[in-house]
This record gives sequence, C-alpha cells and structure tokens, in this order.
Amino acid sequence: GENVEQHPSTLSVQEGDSAVIKCTYSDSASNYFPWYKQELGKRPQLIIDIRSNVGEKKDQRIAVTLNKTAKHFSLHITETQPEDSAVYFCAASYSGGGADGLTFGKGTHLIIQP
Amino acid sequence: DAGVIQSPRHEVTEMGQEVTLRCKPISGHDYLFWYRQTMMRGLELLIYFNNNVPIDDSGMPEDRFSAKMPNASFSTLKIQPSEPRDSAVYFCASSFTSGGSLSYNEQFFGPGTRLTVL
Repeated sequence: GENVEQHPSTLSVQEGDSAVIKCTYSDSASNYFPWYKQELGKRPQLIIDIRSNVGEKKDQRIAVTLNKTAKHFSLHITETQPEDSAVYFCAASYSGGGADGLTFGKGTHLIIQP
Repeated sequence: DAGVIQSPRHEVTEMGQEVTLRCKPISGHDYLFWYRQTMMRGLELLIYFNNNVPIDDSGMPEDRFSAKMPNASFSTLKIQPSEPRDSAVYFCASSFTSGGSLSYNEQFFGPGTRLTVL
C-alpha cells in the first residue's frame, strides 16, 4: 500500500517569512495529492491539491509543487500570517475513474511567531 | 448545504460497551469515507463506500469494528465491544466523482466524533 512521509513534524517561522513542508510517497500509481489544514479541535479542511498531470499549482499565498520522478511534493506558504498557525497534512491517493481513500502524512505543526 | 454531519460529537463510554457513530454525507456525493485520528497513528482510513457499497475495508482494525451504509444519506460505524485503545476522533468524509479518468476526489470532512472509552 501507499506510504506517505512528511517533514518536518514542527516548523516555526517568523510572521511574514515563508514556510515549506515536504512529503514523499511510495506508490508510483498515486496521482492525486491534497493538502489539508487542521486547527485545534476542528476538522481537516482542504487548502490546495494537485494532480499528477501538472507540476505546480498556486492559489494566492500557497503553492504546491510535484516531482513525479522523485515521488515528492511540497507545500509553500509565503508571507505567513498568525492565522496560518495550524497542523498541515499532506496526502496521496489514486484517482482514476473513481475516488480512493487518502493516505496521510503524520502532519506538520506550523507555528507563526509574531 | 450543511456539509457532512456526524453524531454524536462526543461520546464517553465504558470498556465493553457498544458504540455507534453516525454520518450523513453531503447530498449528491457518491463516496463516503471513515477515518480515525490519534496522536500516535495520525489520520488513518478505516473503510470507504461507493454508492452505498463497501469498497475497501482493509483499514478496519479488527472484527470489533463494522460499518454500514443502508442508503445514500446515512452511514454508521459500530464498535462492539469497545476498548480503551479505540479512543480517538472518528471523521466521516464524502466526495463526488464524475467518473472520468481525471475525476475529482476532493473529500469534505465532517466535524468528527471524539470517542473516549474508559
């Protein structure tokens, strides 16, 4: 089955700086890679996703890059703000004609220092 | 739409008791997923359904766990008998897929049920 590794487990950055979270996956058949943000006591919420037919996707201050050859993908948050503080999860699945369950990384606790 | 609805939001029970968690997916969604979240193991897929049919239950930890989806708007996850190690937050999620080769797989999560087994 799929295995997703996520690093770092904790990331502390100064407000206004950039944050990068990295994930690797094991199953070359995986083609869908979402990122979820989870605030304390809340549900995971999708913030951005990417499919294997593109290498990069951007949405305002967040971007995701995908390297299929190396089987890794990264989340980039620029101009970080206090409300970015949360736990971020990467995930991978195969989606071809239907959905599949997500395999999640262990999460990164992002702390934005004022 | 109200989003994915789960009940109860909190459940405290004693070891050996039966626990039933409930989920109502977003109307029109054809996939339903059950996940469990713990500090030690993170977010794990337990089982998922497509059009009310179980597709993959390989994540169900043991025979004490069972899940059903009697219709498109309701699913249950049952633990019998419950044990302290079952304590976790259980999330239900749903998604809609068009069925094409690039079908969309965004999963929307419910608020979760926090289960504590004493």
